[in-house]
Amino acid sequence: DIQMTQSPSTLSASVGDRVTITCRASQSISSWLAWYQQKPGKAPKLLIYKASSLESGVPSRFSGSGSGTEFTLTISSLQPDDFATYYCQQVRTFGQGTKVEIK
Amino acid sequence: EVQLVESGGGLVQPGGSLRLSCAASGFTFSSYSMNWVRQAPGKGLEWVSYISSSSSTIYYADSVKGRFTISRDNAKNSLYLQMNSLRAEDTAVYYCARAKQWLVYYFDYWGQGTLVTVSS
Repeated sequence: DIQMTQSPSTLSASVGDRVTITCRASQSISSWLAWYQQKPGKAPKLLIYKASSLESGVPSRFSGSGSGTEFTLTISSLQPDDFATYYCQQVRTFGQGTKVEIK
Repeated sequence: EVQLVESGGGLVQPGGSLRLSCAASGFTFSSYSMNWVRQAPGKGLEWVSYISSSSSTIYYADSVKGRFTISRDNAKNSLYLQMNSLRAEDTAVYYCARAKQWLVYYFDYWGQGTLVTVSS
């Protein structure tokens, strides 16, 4: 089975910061990667699919890149609404999550 | 507006059974594959099961294979998860999630979740 490893597990940042989260696959997954945002008590929300395609309605400050085994989610200028936990997903495997906290 | 509403969660004893339902509206349910994803308290997301639009293709996570059964009724716009032989480790919020059309590995709409607690 393919394993997905996110880093860091927790990230402290301030409003306006550029934030990058990394997801590594245990073997090549081409561009079959998605990113989700989840807030406490809420369902996950799809942000990025196919590694770099922005889901409809998602702000353009979110972007995804990578292929093969290494992928990144970047938030260009962190907004108050962005403090949440972020998960990468490859087909039927999710990463363990990265919590973005207020610094 | 796309809506997915789960129901059927609750407290059940180990070894017991429960049937979850997900009522879909706002889209042509019969055209989309569907999934169940769960989240144990304070933990990450775990994919549970997938069913294609016509029910012809079904997959399960190894952790639930042989105990859970996914099904759907396109006439009733509903998705189901029959859970048998429940264990404490099945305790979680269970979400139904719609797969993007033509890109079935990605889940574009999720329900609000229903909590299943397995405890004596």
